[in-house]
Amino acid sequence: DGGITQSPKYLFRKEGQNVTLSCEQNLNHDAMYWYRQDPGQGLRLIYYSQIVNDFQKGDIAEGYSVSREKKESFPLTVTSAQKNPTAFYLCASSGSGTGVSPLHFGNGTRLTVT
Amino acid sequence: AQSVAQPEDQVNVAEGNPLTVKCTYSVSGNPYLFWYVQYPNRGLQFLLKYITGDNLVKGSYGFEAEFNKSQTSFHLKKPSALVSDSALYFCAVRDMGYQKVTFGTGTKLQVIP
Repeated sequence: DGGITQSPKYLFRKEGQNVTLSCEQNLNHDAMYWYRQDPGQGLRLIYYSQIVNDFQKGDIAEGYSVSREKKESFPLTVTSAQKNPTAFYLCASSGSGTGVSPLHFGNGTRLTVT
Repeated sequence: AQSVAQPEDQVNVAEGNPLTVKCTYSVSGNPYLFWYVQYPNRGLQFLLKYITGDNLVKGSYGFEAEFNKSQTSFHLKKPSALVSDSALYFCAVRDMGYQKVTFGTGTKLQVIP
């Protein structure tokens, strides 16, 4: 079945450590996105990529980094510079071609930093 | 800059009654509008979208949404609510010609048996 896989489901880290969240899709989608979800704040866009080897900052990119070396993969690194990293992180993708494709979401990674 | 407002944190409705979840948007150009639903500890699932044409769009699970350009609104509706509709609902907007998608803060729908 086609879809988006985020791993791991739960992640625990100590403050000051960088951590990388995995996102893989087999939908052959060009565009990929990372969102952060906090209670009462909805989804906020961290980074997005429209094509391999290209990505743009979203609304809250500070303290995060991404890479897009393969069409299928869009890993997110939460660096020690991110002041409040504990959150639920969602990865999504969408096709580009004719028509307007909705986002397809993974099931998220819940990161806890103590 | 594009933005979405969902003015209600929570909507309560009795089972069998009609429901409305409100959404207003702001974009510089023409909007693509979306509704998604989220169940606890899961990703979002697509419900419906407005691209162009008929202002009333129909989606999954009996949901529909009405696009109103003059009021810049895209309210989600369902004629008869089910307890299983209880979830978190998100409205989203994409400015035509761009890939950036902006979400609202979400509305928790509680359907009371």
